Amino acid sequence: QSALTQPASVSGSPGQSITISCTGTSSDVGSYNLVSWYQQHPDKAPKLIIYEVNKRPSGVSNRFSGSRSGNTASLTISGLQADDEADYYCCSYAGFSTWMFGGGTKLTVL
Amino acid sequence: QVQLQESGPGLVKPSGTLSLTCTVSGGSITSTNWWTWVRRPPGKGLEWIGEIYQSGNTNYNPSLRSRVTISVDKSKNQFSLKLTSVTAADTAVYYCAIRPPRNWFDPWGQGTLVTVSS
Repeated sequence: QSALTQPASVSGSPGQSITISCTGTSSDVGSYNLVSWYQQHPDKAPKLIIYEVNKRPSGVSNRFSGSRSGNTASLTISGLQADDEADYYCCSYAGFSTWMFGGGTKLTVL
Repeated sequence: QVQLQESGPGLVKPSGTLSLTCTVSGGSITSTNWWTWVRRPPGKGLEWIGEIYQSGNTNYNPSLRSRVTISVDKSKNQFSLKLTSVTAADTAVYYCAIRPPRNWFDPWGQGTLVTVSS
C-alpha cells in the first residue's frame, strides 16, 4: 500500500491562489468519493478542511475548495493568507476497509 | 465536544513493544465511530495504522497488520495501540483520531512522539 502522491512543496504570495494535487489510482482516489484534506500547522494536530472530495466542514473558510479528475484530487486555496502556511495532506479510502494518506505538501506563503 | 489525548512511553527499545493509550473525553467510546491510530515519521507524511469499532471489530494497514493490535476499554473510555518488534523506522509522532460514519478523520489528539532507540 503506497502513499498517495503529493508535491513536496508549493508556494504563493498573499492574495494568490495555489493548487495542491493528490494522485492515486483507480483503486482509491479514482473509485470512491471519500477523499479528504487536512491542514497541519507545526506541532499541532491535523485539522479537517475538505471531506467527500469537495465538501467543507462548518467553520472552514470558503477559500478552501476540493475537486477531483480521474485518479487525481486537488485542493485549491484562494486569497492566500499568512496563516495558510502549513502542511497539507490528502486522504482516500483504499478499499478493503483501509485508508491511505498522501506524503504531504508544505505550503509556503512568500 | 469530543477530545482525545494520547499517552504512553516516549522511548522504546528496538525489538520491543510500543504501547499507547488514547483517552476519550466529552463523548462515549460506544458511539458510532471508528477509533483510529495514525502516525507521522520524522520528515515523512501521515500513515494510517488502523482502527477499532466499539464492538471490537478492527481494520489494519496491511503493511503493519502482522505487528499491530488495537483494543478498546469501554470501562475507561479508552482505546489502545500495541506495535511489536519495533525498529527505528517506527519512530514517529502517533496520533489518535475519530472516524465518524461520514468517513473523515476529526477530531485528532495532539500527538505523542515515540522514539525507538537503545
